[in-house]
Amino acid sequence: DQQVKQNSPSLSVQEGRISILNCDYTNSMFDYFLWYKKYPAEGPTFLISISSIKDKNEDGRFTVFLNKSAKHLSLHIVPSQPGDSAVYFCAASAQNQFYFGTGTSLTVIP
Amino acid sequence: ETGVTQTPRHLVMGMTNKKSLKCEQHLGHNAMYWYKQSAKKPLELMFVYSLEERVENNSVPSRFSPECPNSSHLFLHLHTLQPEDSALYLCASSQGLAGGIGINEQFFGPGTRLTVL
Repeated sequence: DQQVKQNSPSLSVQEGRISILNCDYTNSMFDYFLWYKKYPAEGPTFLISISSIKDKNEDGRFTVFLNKSAKHLSLHIVPSQPGDSAVYFCAASAQNQFYFGTGTSLTVIP
Repeated sequence: ETGVTQTPRHLVMGMTNKKSLKCEQHLGHNAMYWYKQSAKKPLELMFVYSLEERVENNSVPSRFSPECPNSSHLFLHLHTLQPEDSALYLCASSQGLAGGIGINEQFFGPGTRLTVL
């Protein structure tokens, strides 16, 4: 049973618009959440994270929102750029364990 | 270039072969991880090493045998694998383990694409 789910396998967005990637989790013990970005033939690269004691973390064009009551996490990218086209993985951690979602493939159309 | 290298990048092996995957990190980290990524499945954490001691072993079959001789190197020894073990094997490292704010970011290598015939 997957503890971290990304229900949208793909997303297409026009350049300059906002990209919103969603993630749901089931385990209320998770205390840290992360987003990774992956290009083909490369390993995932850390993008942004958020602790369970916060509900928002912002880093430049990237903002992660955490809704603990809904067990929902989202990544906002604004404005989206063609170089953002990649697969985005949501991950959650607790007690030396990491759980990843299946990823959402984002395509930013020029 | 993330500072984590993996060799080989591609490996094809028969079910009776013995092979090893190698991971090396140049980041001064003290925790290293092996993950498996099968098609259309999430990354699955296999093993976690902290300060060269194994701290997690997530019900991985014994045909996978990890080794961490020092904090910079991690191996995954493979023997008598099955075709369903074909996957992308990713190594990662981090400074510290989960549970501490700001120390969970893992740096991944490019992975080894393993095919078991």
